[in-house]
Parts: sequence; structure tokens; C-alpha cells
Amino acid sequence: EIVMTQSPATLSVSPGERATLSCRASQSVSSNLVWYQQKPGQAPRLLIYGASTRATGIPARFSGSGSGTEFTLTISSLQSEDFAVYYCQQYNNWKWTFGQGTKVEIK
Amino acid sequence: QITLKESSPTLVKPTQTLTLTCTFSGISLSTGGVGVGWIRQPPGKALEWLALIYWDDDKRYSPSLKSRLTITKDTSKNQVVLTMTNMDPVDTATYYCASTPPSGYGNFDYWGQGTLVTVSS
Repeated sequence: EIVMTQSPATLSVSPGERATLSCRASQSVSSNLVWYQQKPGQAPRLLIYGASTRATGIPARFSGSGSGTEFTLTISSLQSEDFAVYYCQQYNNWKWTFGQGTKVEIK
Repeated sequence: QITLKESSPTLVKPTQTLTLTCTFSGISLSTGGVGVGWIRQPPGKALEWLALIYWDDDKRYSPSLKSRLTITKDTSKNQVVLTMTNMDPVDTATYYCASTPPSGYGNFDYWGQGTLVTVSS
């Protein structure tokens, strides 16, 4: 099973600052990497798929990069509504696994 | 507009079988490449993929839970059903259904609101 490891577990950032979240796969997943945002009491929301393609309606301040085993989600200038938990997820060989999440909190 | 909604009992006893139903609209499991999956999230913990069924009835299961899961679809009713046997308190979680498009990237693009299932005697 492919294990997804996210770092850091918690990221403290001031509004307007840049946030960089990392996700590492235990083996290559090519570009089959997805990012989600989840706020308390809500279902996850799709942000990025194919490692770098923004989903419909996602602001340009969210960007994804990477391939193989190393991936990054960057939020260029944090807005109040961006404080949430972010999960990466891989898809490979008909199996899906999620990372443990990174909580982005207000500094 | 695409919507998915989960339904299930809120409380099940240990060893019982849980039946989860996902009713959706705006997508069709007759459309090539479309799938509907189940993901769960224990309170305060991470997401865990459970199972997925494709338009052509191809079924995929989490290796760690495969022996306990069965996923089926009723295309005419726009429903997907997941059964999980031998429930245990550690299975207490919010269970989500979500759709995956034909893109092939494995992303879940639309999600239901989730249904909280508590396992307790």
C-alpha cells in the first residue's frame, strides 16, 4: 500500500502570508495526486487534481506542483477562509490513500 | 447540479452489519468512466478510502477492509450501496460518498455531506 506522509502536521501562518504544504508518497504515483481542503463539520472540497490542475472555481492563489513522490501545495496569500485542514490523496493501481492532513492555523 | 447524499442508521451494535446508501443526482453511473466511492473519517482523524464502483460495475476495495465490504449500484435509482460486516467501535466515523469523473486522475470531485455512524452496544 502506498503511504502518504504530509508535513508539517500544523502550520501557523499570518493572513496574507504564503503557506507551503508538503506531501510525500512512499513510491511513485506519477501525477495522480490530489489536494483537498476540509473545514470543521464539512465534507472535503477538491482543490487540485493531477498534481497541478486547479478544480473548477478554485482561486488562483492555490497552486500544486510535483510528480513522482514529492508534491507541494502552495497558498500564495492566505485569506481568512483558507484556515482549514488540507489532505493529499494518491491514486495508483486502483487504490486510493490519503495523507494524515496538515492543519493551517492562524498565527 | 451534482449532489450526493448518504443515508444510514446513526447507531449500530458491535458485530452488526452496516448498510450505507448514497443517492445522487446530476451524474450517471451509465456514463463511461464515472465512479462513486466511499470514504470515512473517524472523529478528529484523517480520511480513509473504503471502496469504489465504476459505471461498468468494476469494483475496488481497500485491501485492509476488503473482507468486510461489498459495494453495489442501482443505476435506475441513482444509488450506490456499501455494506460493512462485523462492525466494531473503531468503525465509528463519518462516512462520505463521493463521485470520481472519467479524467483518470483518481480525484473525488463531488462529495456528500457525510453521515455519522456510531458503533456502540
